[in-house]
Amino acid sequence: EPEVTQTPSHQVTQMGQEVILRCVPISNHLYFYWYRQILGQKVEFLVSFYNNEISEKSEIFDDQFSVERPDGSNFTLKIRSTKLEDSAMYFCASSELVDSPQAFFGQGTRLTVV
Amino acid sequence: QKEVEQDPGPLSVPEGAIVSLNCTYSNSAFQYFMWYRQYSRKGPELLMYTYSSGNKEDGRFTAQVDKSSKYISLFIRDSQPSDSATYLCAMSSYSGAGSYQLTFGKGTKLSVIP
Repeated sequence: EPEVTQTPSHQVTQMGQEVILRCVPISNHLYFYWYRQILGQKVEFLVSFYNNEISEKSEIFDDQFSVERPDGSNFTLKIRSTKLEDSAMYFCASSELVDSPQAFFGQGTRLTVV
Repeated sequence: QKEVEQDPGPLSVPEGAIVSLNCTYSNSAFQYFMWYRQYSRKGPELLMYTYSSGNKEDGRFTAQVDKSSKYISLFIRDSQPSDSATYLCAMSSYSGAGSYQLTFGKGTKLSVIP
């Protein structure tokens, strides 16, 4: 069964460093998303991406965040200068159709900022 | 006022019991309702998706939506120890920007005791 894959599964980084989280969405999907889940809190929307541009972004997705689809398969989230409060699980998700809200999530990358 | 409210539990039931999980919401614009299952330190797995008020059944799972009361439910019949997980409700509306931003509840942690 097709699935969304994310790498790495766990990333430890020093405060102020840049990190790139990688995702391979399901191959025929058109919409891509990043969500995050701080430990013990709700899953929160960060950004959606379609046709090589951002469709929507939340207040969380400030200038330190960026997304990119560098090739036909990968979808990345970059955090330029990490803060302690960026520590969270980051989930990539994708959906197949323009008119479908069904999103399929990857296993997540646990980001720990020290 | 929080957009999506979900009792975090924990909820503990004996094997074979019927489980009822619920969420309430405040945003009348929500049109799509989903239930995800999340095992510890894993990504959310889509279980059920409904669009309108009423019931939708899939095996041992039944999703129920009451838009007039802004209340959704997930019922699990003949619960199994493998159903032990955190269940997240999620909702969205079409923003016009082409994507569907999901708003999640906090999740209910369910334990099914053999």
